[in-house]
Amino acid sequence: LQLQESGPGLVKPSETLSLSCAVSGGSISNHSYYWGWIRQPPGKGLEWIGSIFHTGSTNYNPSLKSRVSISVDTSSNKFSLMLTSVTAADMGVYYCARHRPECVGSSCFWEGWFDAWGQGTQVIVSS
Amino acid sequence: DIQMTQSPSSLSASVGDRVIVTCRASQNIGSYLNWYQQKPGKAPKFLIYRASNLQSGVPSRFSGSGSGTDFTLTISSLQPEDFATYFCQQSYKTITFGQGTRLEVK
Repeated sequence: LQLQESGPGLVKPSETLSLSCAVSGGSISNHSYYWGWIRQPPGKGLEWIGSIFHTGSTNYNPSLKSRVSISVDTSSNKFSLMLTSVTAADMGVYYCARHRPECVGSSCFWEGWFDAWGQGTQVIVSS
Repeated sequence: DIQMTQSPSSLSASVGDRVIVTCRASQNIGSYLNWYQQKPGKAPKFLIYRASNLQSGVPSRFSGSGSGTDFTLTISSLQPEDFATYFCQQSYKTITFGQGTRLEVK
């Protein structure tokens, strides 16, 4: 499985960041997985942004929910991130990842872990 | 929000050392704790899920333990390729990561 992020590396303040993640070597419609976005500000830790199931069902970080939208295109095996009204605080490396939900017995919860990652794409916010 | 706090923030060790990284949750998260390794300029690599389950392909010198609020990642005999930053991540309620522990060469 491979994931590859793409999109503009430079975004102006107050504008919208748009990134895509192309999935190869596996189907984005696999019922066992969600697909997520995680970011990492320079020199800092990891922040989960949100995740999507192939049906279009989404879960977002509450702190970003008002500005985030994640969509999926099963026909092209891609999913995408939009983050509106960006500021310098949104700078960093953005990763897409395969998100395995927690399943205990016959019950599954969307929370889980990220077992395959893209290489990441650097995003700079500057006018 | 569930806060994840790792200690120490950085750690110096030598090849062959036994290393322990600690992660503490701000509330009981059961065993819903995962670990990642990240090398400079690279994406994180998934190591351990549900506190103690080793992901396929991860060397057996890595192990995880704990439940509730306190968790540990242990590297039994440090190898040169293990110098990296390690992150914990809770999956009990939404998803949050610890701030990372940087493992450096002594």
